[in-house]
Amino acid sequence: AQKITQTQPGMFVQEKEAVTLDCTYDTSDPSYGLFWYKQPSSGEMIFLIYQGSYDQQNATEGRYSLNFQKARKSANLVISASQLGDSAMYFCAMRENSGYSTLTFGKGTMLLVSP
Amino acid sequence: DADVTQTPRNRITKTGKRIMLECSQTKGHDRMYWYRQDPGLGLRLIYYSFDVKDINKGEISDGYSVSRQAQAKFSLSLESAIPNQTALYFCATSSTYGEQYFGPGTRLTVT
Repeated sequence: AQKITQTQPGMFVQEKEAVTLDCTYDTSDPSYGLFWYKQPSSGEMIFLIYQGSYDQQNATEGRYSLNFQKARKSANLVISASQLGDSAMYFCAMRENSGYSTLTFGKGTMLLVSP
Repeated sequence: DADVTQTPRNRITKTGKRIMLECSQTKGHDRMYWYRQDPGLGLRLIYYSFDVKDINKGEISDGYSVSRQAQAKFSLSLESAIPNQTALYFCATSSTYGEQYFGPGTRLTVT
Protein backbone atom coordinates (compact mmCIF):
# COMPACT_ATOMS: atom_id res chain seq x y z
CA ALA A 1 0.00 0.00 0.00
CA GLN A 2 1.17 3.50 -0.73
CA LYS A 3 2.23 5.41 2.32
CA ILE A 4 1.48 8.80 0.80
CA THR A 5 -1.34 9.37 -1.65
CA GLN A 6 -1.92 12.55 -3.61
CA THR A 7 -5.04 11.98 -5.66
CA GLN A 8 -4.96 15.19 -7.69
CA PRO A 9 -2.49 15.00 -10.58
CA GLY A 10 -3.32 18.59 -11.51
CA MET A 11 -5.19 21.53 -10.03
CA PHE A 12 -6.17 24.89 -11.48
CA VAL A 13 -6.88 28.02 -9.48
CA GLN A 14 -7.32 31.68 -10.26
CA GLU A 15 -5.02 34.25 -8.83
CA LYS A 16 -6.02 35.50 -5.36
CA GLU A 17 -8.22 32.48 -4.68
CA ALA A 18 -7.47 29.79 -2.10
CA VAL A 19 -6.67 26.22 -3.10
CA THR A 20 -6.42 22.94 -1.20
CA LEU A 21 -4.04 20.19 -2.25
CA ASP A 22 -4.95 16.79 -0.87
CA CYS A 23 -2.67 14.33 0.89
CA THR A 24 -3.55 11.16 2.75
CA TYR A 25 -1.07 8.94 4.51
CA ASP A 26 -0.83 5.48 5.95
CA THR A 27 1.20 4.58 9.01
CA SER A 28 0.91 2.59 12.22
CA ASP A 29 3.73 4.56 13.85
CA PRO A 30 2.28 6.86 16.56
CA SER A 31 5.10 9.36 16.01
CA TYR A 32 5.53 10.80 12.56
CA GLY A 33 5.94 14.04 10.67
CA LEU A 34 4.32 15.37 7.56
CA PHE A 35 6.01 17.73 5.12
CA TRP A 36 5.09 19.69 2.04
CA TYR A 37 7.60 20.67 -0.62
CA LYS A 38 7.25 22.88 -3.68
CA GLN A 39 9.08 22.22 -6.93
CA PRO A 40 8.87 25.08 -9.44
CA SER A 41 9.72 24.58 -13.09
CA SER A 42 13.35 25.42 -12.31
CA GLY A 43 13.54 22.09 -10.51
CA GLU A 44 14.68 22.85 -6.96
CA MET A 45 12.83 21.38 -3.99
CA ILE A 46 11.64 24.00 -1.52
CA PHE A 47 10.45 23.09 1.97
CA LEU A 48 7.11 24.74 2.79
CA ILE A 49 5.61 23.45 6.01
CA TYR A 50 5.82 20.73 8.65
CA GLN A 51 3.26 19.07 10.95
CA GLY A 52 4.16 16.69 13.73
CA SER A 53 1.77 13.93 14.71
CA TYR A 54 1.55 15.20 18.28
CA ASP A 55 1.10 18.85 17.35
CA GLN A 56 -2.21 20.13 18.67
CA GLN A 57 -2.48 23.04 16.29
CA ASN A 58 -2.48 23.03 12.51
CA ALA A 59 0.81 24.32 11.15
CA THR A 60 0.89 27.66 9.37
CA GLU A 61 3.66 29.45 7.46
CA GLY A 62 2.59 32.69 5.85
CA ARG A 63 0.06 31.88 3.11
CA TYR A 64 0.51 28.15 3.67
CA SER A 65 -1.42 26.16 6.22
CA LEU A 66 -1.77 22.47 6.81
CA ASN A 67 -5.22 21.06 7.48
CA PHE A 68 -4.26 18.12 9.67
CA GLN A 69 -7.02 15.60 10.36
CA LYS A 70 -5.32 12.82 12.28
CA ALA A 71 -8.28 10.44 12.51
CA ARG A 72 -8.76 10.63 8.76
CA LYS A 73 -4.99 10.45 8.16
CA SER A 74 -5.07 13.49 5.96
CA ALA A 75 -2.67 16.43 5.76
CA ASN A 76 -3.98 18.79 3.14
CA LEU A 77 -2.03 21.90 2.11
CA VAL A 78 -4.05 25.10 1.89
CA ILE A 79 -2.61 28.01 -0.06
CA SER A 80 -4.47 31.24 0.52
CA ALA A 81 -4.53 34.13 -1.95
CA SER A 82 -2.79 32.24 -4.75
CA GLN A 83 -0.12 34.01 -6.74
CA LEU A 84 1.23 33.30 -10.21
CA GLY A 85 4.50 32.24 -8.61
CA ASP A 86 2.67 29.43 -6.80
CA SER A 87 2.44 27.52 -10.08
CA ALA A 88 4.58 24.46 -9.38
CA MET A 89 4.56 20.79 -8.46
CA TYR A 90 3.74 20.14 -4.82
CA PHE A 91 4.84 17.05 -2.93
CA CYS A 92 3.55 15.69 0.35
CA ALA A 93 5.98 13.54 2.35
CA MET A 94 5.97 11.60 5.61
CA ARG A 95 8.68 10.63 8.05
CA GLU A 96 7.94 7.80 10.46
CA ASN A 97 10.01 8.40 13.57
CA SER A 98 10.68 4.82 14.61
CA GLY A 99 13.64 2.96 13.18
CA TYR A 100 15.44 4.54 10.29
CA SER A 101 13.38 7.63 9.74
CA THR A 102 13.51 8.63 6.11
CA LEU A 103 11.01 10.57 4.01
CA THR A 104 8.47 8.88 1.77
CA PHE A 105 7.08 11.13 -0.95
CA GLY A 106 3.78 11.19 -2.77
CA LYS A 107 3.69 11.47 -6.54
CA GLY A 108 2.86 15.13 -6.49
CA THR A 109 0.18 17.56 -7.63
CA MET A 110 0.80 20.11 -10.36
CA LEU A 111 -0.79 23.45 -9.49
CA LEU A 112 -1.40 26.05 -12.18
CA VAL A 113 -2.42 29.55 -11.16
CA SER A 114 -4.07 31.64 -13.84
CA PRO A 115 -4.39 35.46 -13.94
CA ASP B 1 26.60 30.20 -1.11
CA ALA B 2 24.13 27.32 -1.37
CA ASP B 3 23.86 25.00 1.62
CA VAL B 4 23.76 21.86 -0.55
CA THR B 5 25.67 21.72 -3.81
CA GLN B 6 25.66 19.05 -6.48
CA THR B 7 28.10 18.50 -9.32
CA PRO B 8 27.65 18.19 -12.20
CA ARG B 9 24.32 19.93 -12.76
CA ASN B 10 23.81 18.29 -16.12
CA ARG B 11 25.47 15.23 -17.60
CA ILE B 12 25.01 13.23 -20.76
CA THR B 13 26.75 9.87 -20.81
CA LYS B 14 26.70 6.68 -22.81
CA THR B 15 25.43 3.27 -21.83
CA GLY B 16 28.03 1.28 -19.91
CA LYS B 17 30.02 4.27 -18.67
CA ARG B 18 30.80 4.79 -15.00
CA ILE B 19 29.62 8.09 -13.62
CA MET B 20 29.84 9.77 -10.23
CA LEU B 21 27.54 12.46 -8.89
CA GLU B 22 28.90 14.48 -6.03
CA CYS B 23 27.16 16.26 -3.17
CA SER B 24 28.51 18.62 -0.54
CA GLN B 25 26.70 20.36 2.30
CA THR B 26 27.56 23.15 4.69
CA LYS B 27 24.60 22.64 7.04
CA GLY B 28 26.65 20.56 9.47
CA HIS B 29 24.07 17.77 9.32
CA ASP B 30 24.94 14.13 9.87
CA ARG B 31 22.23 12.74 7.59
CA MET B 32 22.50 12.71 3.83
CA TYR B 33 20.33 11.18 1.11
CA TRP B 34 20.22 10.47 -2.61
CA TYR B 35 16.93 10.46 -4.52
CA ARG B 36 15.93 10.11 -8.11
CA GLN B 37 12.90 11.79 -9.64
CA ASP B 38 11.07 10.45 -12.66
CA PRO B 39 7.99 12.10 -14.15
CA GLY B 40 4.83 10.91 -12.41
CA LEU B 41 6.69 8.92 -9.77
CA GLY B 42 7.71 11.54 -7.26
CA LEU B 43 11.04 11.18 -5.46
CA ARG B 44 12.37 7.74 -4.64
CA LEU B 45 15.15 7.08 -2.17
CA ILE B 46 18.28 5.43 -3.53
CA TYR B 47 20.68 5.45 -0.55
CA TYR B 48 20.97 7.25 2.74
CA SER B 49 23.60 7.76 5.40
CA PHE B 50 23.03 8.80 8.99
CA ASP B 51 26.71 9.34 9.72
CA VAL B 52 30.06 8.76 8.08
CA LYS B 53 30.15 5.07 8.99
CA ASP B 54 26.48 4.39 8.24
CA ILE B 55 25.26 3.58 4.71
CA ASN B 56 21.83 2.16 3.96
CA LYS B 57 20.01 1.06 0.84
CA GLY B 58 16.82 2.82 -0.05
CA GLU B 59 13.87 1.78 -2.16
CA ILE B 60 15.76 1.60 -5.48
CA SER B 61 19.46 0.93 -4.83
CA ASP B 62 20.10 -1.63 -7.60
CA GLY B 63 22.63 -0.31 -10.10
CA TYR B 64 23.90 2.38 -7.73
CA SER B 65 26.57 2.67 -5.05
CA VAL B 66 27.53 5.46 -2.67
CA SER B 67 30.47 6.72 -0.70
CA ARG B 68 30.38 8.97 2.36
CA GLN B 69 33.81 10.56 2.27
CA ALA B 70 33.20 12.96 5.14
CA GLN B 71 30.32 14.41 7.13
CA ALA B 72 29.84 16.98 4.40
CA LYS B 73 30.32 14.81 1.30
CA PHE B 74 28.19 12.03 -0.13
CA SER B 75 28.70 10.75 -3.66
CA LEU B 76 26.54 8.52 -5.84
CA SER B 77 28.01 6.25 -8.50
CA LEU B 78 26.49 4.46 -11.43
CA GLU B 79 28.97 1.68 -12.15
CA SER B 80 27.61 0.92 -15.61
CA ALA B 81 24.99 3.43 -16.68
CA ILE B 82 21.88 2.28 -18.53
CA PRO B 83 19.21 4.37 -20.29
CA ASN B 84 16.53 3.78 -17.64
CA GLN B 85 18.78 5.59 -15.17
CA THR B 86 18.02 8.78 -17.06
CA ALA B 87 16.43 10.97 -14.37
CA LEU B 88 16.79 14.00 -12.15
CA TYR B 89 18.95 13.17 -9.13
CA PHE B 90 18.75 15.02 -5.83
CA CYS B 91 20.99 15.02 -2.84
CA ALA B 92 19.52 16.12 0.49
CA THR B 93 20.62 16.58 4.06
CA SER B 94 18.86 16.84 7.38
CA SER B 95 19.26 16.90 11.11
CA THR B 96 17.71 14.03 13.05
CA TYR B 97 14.14 15.32 13.10
CA GLY B 98 14.31 18.35 10.88
CA GLU B 99 13.20 18.94 7.34
CA GLN B 100 15.40 17.85 4.48
CA TYR B 101 17.33 20.45 2.53
CA PHE B 102 17.79 19.60 -1.11
CA GLY B 103 20.51 20.37 -3.58
CA PRO B 104 19.65 21.89 -6.96
CA GLY B 105 19.57 18.50 -8.70
CA THR B 106 21.62 16.79 -11.40
CA ARG B 107 19.92 16.06 -14.70
CA LEU B 108 21.44 12.84 -16.01
CA THR B 109 20.83 11.49 -19.50
CA VAL B 110 22.11 8.05 -20.49
CA THR B 111 22.11 7.44 -24.24
